[in-house]
Amino acid sequence: TQLLEQSPQFLSIQEGENLTVYCNSSSVFSSLQWYRQEPGEGPVLLVTVVTGGEVKKLKRLTFQFGDARKDSSLHITAAQPGDTGLYLCAGVGTYNTDKLIFGTGTRLQVFP
Amino acid sequence: DTGVSQDPRHKITKRGQNVTFRCDPISEHNRLYWYRQTLGQGPEFLTYFQNEAQLEKSRLLSDRFSAERPKGSFSTLEIQRTEQGDSAMYLCATMESGQPTDTQYFGPGTRLTVL
Repeated sequence: TQLLEQSPQFLSIQEGENLTVYCNSSSVFSSLQWYRQEPGEGPVLLVTVVTGGEVKKLKRLTFQFGDARKDSSLHITAAQPGDTGLYLCAGVGTYNTDKLIFGTGTRLQVFP
Repeated sequence: DTGVSQDPRHKITKRGQNVTFRCDPISEHNRLYWYRQTLGQGPEFLTYFQNEAQLEKSRLLSDRFSAERPKGSFSTLEIQRTEQGDSAMYLCATMESGQPTDTQYFGPGTRLTVL
């Protein structure tokens, strides 16, 4: 069974602080995706990382895929209240279905 | 709005009743997925369709659950004899092709509460 553990589970910070969310697994994934989900809505894709060691930047968000393609991190610089939400990593398996294996989630709250 | 719609958005039912949810995908998307998300957790895969064919079902999908996708367009998920443990958000996601880097677009979900 493929499992993705995220840490921390909850994060409450002040506007302007930096933070890092980790996503770890014992399994290898063909690619890994990060989503953000707001209350009452479905997850929205932020980024897909494919190559081991890959780093992608999306404005103040930096995503990294581990060399062995088993783990990933999301770093947010100078967090803003608009970053508040549930952050989910999801592994895309080697199955033909491309179903997503989601992590346990990190709930981020940024206070003004 | 991702273009994937789900109906209803909320459903409250009594234990033992049957419920049916609907998902309308983005029109050209041939792949459709159902996930279930309980409070504070990430979504869990339930089942997958390619066009009208249901190609994979999770062990989470007990005999009380059935999903269909007639004509490869909209999909329905039915839960018979609901139990309190079925209370969750049911998410539908659709995708156009089949590359691992392709995007699954999620609907807003149907929140089910079983009393």
